[in-house]
Amino acid sequence: GAVVSQHPSRVICKSGTSVKIECRSLDFQATTMFWYRQFPKQSLMLMATSNEGSKATYEQGVEKDKFLINHASLTLSTLTVTSAHPEDSSFYICSAPAASGTDTQYFGPGTRLTVL
Amino acid sequence: EDQVTQSPEALRLQEGESSSLNCSYTVSGLRGLFWYRQDPGKGPEFLFTLYSAGEEKEKERLKATLTKKESFLHITAPKPEDSATYLCAVQVRTSGSRLTFGEGTQLTVNP
Repeated sequence: GAVVSQHPSRVICKSGTSVKIECRSLDFQATTMFWYRQFPKQSLMLMATSNEGSKATYEQGVEKDKFLINHASLTLSTLTVTSAHPEDSSFYICSAPAASGTDTQYFGPGTRLTVL
Repeated sequence: EDQVTQSPEALRLQEGESSSLNCSYTVSGLRGLFWYRQDPGKGPEFLFTLYSAGEEKEKERLKATLTKKESFLHITAPKPEDSATYLCAVQVRTSGSRLTFGEGTQLTVNP
């Protein structure tokens, strides 16, 4: 299957700082990528759709000014958590469709964010 | 509103004891139903995509089936390494590539 990577895998930061998470498609191009958040013992919740060359689309209830998304190229999307607070601590996962027109999404390994 | 419900929440099996996981869905126009496996602290790993009622797919000890209302993930003679959380997700025709996930079934297979 297609490979999606994320960096960093784990980050600990102080409250009020900003954290950037990268999502890369390693062996394919992705005009669209998705960002999810997963709290302990819960399922994945879609936060936003990242679109190469245009603005991201955010799900209802997700603050676009807090979770900045930039789809810089066909293989890279970044999620920046601005002014992070302890309640932002979570597991952030990105995904991408392996090929244009395909429905199957492949997921990255996730980034564990802990805000102190 | 699109809904996906998985049952049971947790399942404990003995090695070799076959069973099934259920995923019930209520959506406005199913485009596809997906099964993923997730190990603790990792991203979901793709297993199957099903598109139409009656479709079946198999991979090693796993077989996924689909009806108009639900999907089953059958696990035959499971091994301890099959222990994981199994996630079901749906894609609807009006929502592009967006996935809506169920809460998952945590499977534990004891040796």
